[in-house]
This record gives sequence, C-alpha cells and structure tokens, in this order.
Amino acid sequence: KQEVTQIPAALSVPEGENLVLNCSFTDSAIYNLQWFRQDPGKGLTSLLLIQSSQREQTSGRLNASLDKSSGRSTLYIAASQPGDSATYLCAVKKAGKSTFGDGTTLTVKP
Amino acid sequence: DTEVTQTPKHLVMGMTNKKSLKCEQHMGHRAMYWYKQKAKKPPELMFVYSYEKLSINESVPSRFSPECPNSSLLNLHLHALQPEDSALYLCASSQQGTQYTEAFFGQGTRLTVV
Repeated sequence: KQEVTQIPAALSVPEGENLVLNCSFTDSAIYNLQWFRQDPGKGLTSLLLIQSSQREQTSGRLNASLDKSSGRSTLYIAASQPGDSATYLCAVKKAGKSTFGDGTTLTVKP
Repeated sequence: DTEVTQTPKHLVMGMTNKKSLKCEQHMGHRAMYWYKQKAKKPPELMFVYSYEKLSINESVPSRFSPECPNSSLLNLHLHALQPEDSALYLCASSQQGTQYTEAFFGQGTRLTVV
C-alpha cells in the first residue's frame, strides 16, 4: 500500500524567505506526482504536475523536483509572500488512484 | 476552461433525508472522482468513474451512491447518513488513458449531517 509523508507538518517563515517542502512515498512505481494548494475550507488548486519520466517542473516562483527511485519530491517556493499561506499537499498517482500526503501548513508572516 | 463546478457549496441534512451532490466539468475529461475530506486530513478517494463506468469503489458504505449520467456530470446520492459522514466532499476530473493526467478539483460541498 502506497504511503505518502510530508515534512514538516507546519512551517512559519517571514515574508521574502525561500523555502522547501518535502514529500516522500513508499512505492516508486508511480505515474505522476502532483502538488496542490488548499486554502481553509476550499477545494484543491493544482500547482505543478511531474510525470514519472520527468525530474522537475517550474511555474513562476514554484519549482518541484522528483526523484522517483528514492521516492522523494520537493516543492521549492522562492521569495515567499503572505498570499502563499495555505496547506500544500502532494499526491502520487498509480493505476487511476491518487494517494495524498497529510500536507504542510505554511504561514508566511508579513 | 479548467473548472470543475460543484453544487451546492453547503448542505445540511438530517439522518433520514435523501440529497444529492452534483459535479460538472466541460474539459472533455473522461475520468471523474469523488473524495471525502475530514478536517485537517488529506482527501480520501471514494469512487472513480472512467468513461461513465464505475471503475473503483474504495469500499464506501452503500448510503453513498454515485452516478455518472454523462461524460460531463457526476452525482453523489446520499441517504441515511450518519453525523460522522459530515465532511468536505470534493469532485475531481482528469484525462483518461494518458500519462499526462493532471487532476482538477472543484471547490467542494461542505456537508453537515444533523
């Protein structure tokens, strides 16, 4: 059974800092890994999708990497802003099913 | 248009009521999903539809009954729910049959069972 772990569970940083969120998974035979953002009580917003054959994806201030063989992914956020405050979830997909980590709750202080 | 629309946004129902949650997408996606999310927990997969056929049921109690009447719509029929079923119910969709299967989520229905 796939298990997905996100570290840290919570993170508080001052505005402007660069930060890294971590995601690890136990079964490396995945189709893709997707990073999401969730604001309180809201749905999930897709941030980045990395296919199993890719090593990284970038969108604006976000960069996600994937090391499938070691079962790890990182989400790098550059120059953090208060508007980045949210819970960040990673999800790995295999055989039509996605398994989510518990998320990292990020607070960016002005 | 990368939008998945869920209605209603909020729903309060009694344990003897029958209600339905609705989900709609117009991205041409042929895979649609229902997830349940409790507070401060990750989403948990309930059902997957592929080409309008139920392909995955994660051992969900029969008081939850999914339906996919066409390629754009997904319903979740609710009957005789329990207070512990109160949660955020999320619908998602993705392309089917390709490795590039980015999932798009709706904003969810906040369900309260009283």
